[in-house]
Amino acid sequence: SQKIEQNSEALNIQEGKTATLTCNYTNYSPAYLQWYRQDPGRGPVFLLLIRENEKEKRKERLKVTFDTTLKQSLFHITASQPADSATYLCALDPTSNTGKLIFGQGTTLQVKP
Amino acid sequence: GAVVSQHPSWVICKSGTSVKIECRSLDFQATTMFWYRQFPKQSLMLMATSNEGSKATYEQGVEKDKFLINHASLTLSTLTVTSAHPEDSSFYICSASRSDAEAFFGQGTRLTVV
Repeated sequence: SQKIEQNSEALNIQEGKTATLTCNYTNYSPAYLQWYRQDPGRGPVFLLLIRENEKEKRKERLKVTFDTTLKQSLFHITASQPADSATYLCALDPTSNTGKLIFGQGTTLQVKP
Repeated sequence: GAVVSQHPSWVICKSGTSVKIECRSLDFQATTMFWYRQFPKQSLMLMATSNEGSKATYEQGVEKDKFLINHASLTLSTLTVTSAHPEDSSFYICSASRSDAEAFFGQGTRLTVV
């Protein structure tokens, strides 16, 4: 069956450390994968998109990798801050480029000062 | 960045009544919008694809007669929860995408059916 899974429900780290979140998918062949941030009671906010021919993408303190052989994406936040505390969702478009997204269950990150 | 506006942000209704939620793309035209539902501590689940000028496409297990979707213009899609029951209480979120695949989400609507 098709699945998209984020490996941990919650992650607690100390301020200044690097947070690493994992997203694995099964029986999909996505052309790209996306990461979103969701704060409580709000809609998701787009962070990064990485295409199947890109191994790594960076945006400020964020870095995403995409390994189509392992069917895995890693999301890193370097020099984490308490303001980074939120739920992070990975998502893929199973039909490619339609905007229809299937989401992982999310990882809630807590950065402690 | 592009903005998708959703209204209302929260609503409380009595069991058996209907509730309409609006989703507008404010600065781009969206021929397709999407409706998601999110229960507490769970991820977003796609309910349906709203197509401008034609019928919506519903995901498996979503009742099309209960969740009426209308996409009458390129900037507005509405979701009507008909004959709402307490189990319909949830967080409903819409999204729209431009051609570059990034999705823009509304603020969400918290529906509570009492």
